[in-house]
Amino acid sequence: IVLTQSPATLSLSPGERATLSCRASQSIHTDLAWYQHRPGRAPRLLIFDASNRAAGIPARFSGGGSGADFTLTITSLEPEDFGVYYCQQYSDWPSLTFGGGTKVEI
Amino acid sequence: QPQLQESGPGLVKPSETLSLTCTVSGGSITIRSFYWGWVRQSPGKGLEWIGARHYSGSTYYNPSLRSRVTISADTSKNHFSLTLTSLTAADTAVYFCARLPYYHYYVDVWGRGTTVTVSS
Repeated sequence: IVLTQSPATLSLSPGERATLSCRASQSIHTDLAWYQHRPGRAPRLLIFDASNRAAGIPARFSGGGSGADFTLTITSLEPEDFGVYYCQQYSDWPSLTFGGGTKVEI
Repeated sequence: QPQLQESGPGLVKPSETLSLTCTVSGGSITIRSFYWGWVRQSPGKGLEWIGARHYSGSTYYNPSLRSRVTISADTSKNHFSLTLTSLTAADTAVYFCARLPYYHYYVDVWGRGTTVTVSS
């Protein structure tokens, strides 16, 4: 299953809203996760099952969608939110796949 | 949450075998609620799933790598390992170890990653 993320890069200012898209090549129900990856750090799970926030993730991060179209929304960007965001499908276990990423520039 | 730390050679030669270890602290790899696995990121590219292992011994691999990959575990040392054979330059990547909840195949804990370069 191919995941296509858009846009490739998002340049926004602190306080603005970010909307990231992830589209699957076929229906994956809600078997989708979102991750944040900042340079030199371990990637961090943000969202699982398309819309459930992982433990400790601020409420400004939210996920939505089902089937083949998904979004990650970051309301009111903070400076620490810069980095690359990836989606991942797990509908087709064990053939897990990731999207190509969206870079969020603050 | 546990912490995962990758270790291994930073440089390996083409055609050789790569061995990486992931040491887990603050949690046991014998807990049946989790898989333990590996993900990699080649330069300038996205993330690629390699495979995972459950405490029961069950292993699951990316079909594109299955013929060259083995994931094993040493419970006495609380670590698990990745072996990748017949290396080429295309295997140059940052390798991350990962924990996945059983029956929920996303990664809830990641290591920081270790860089591996395949070059003569």
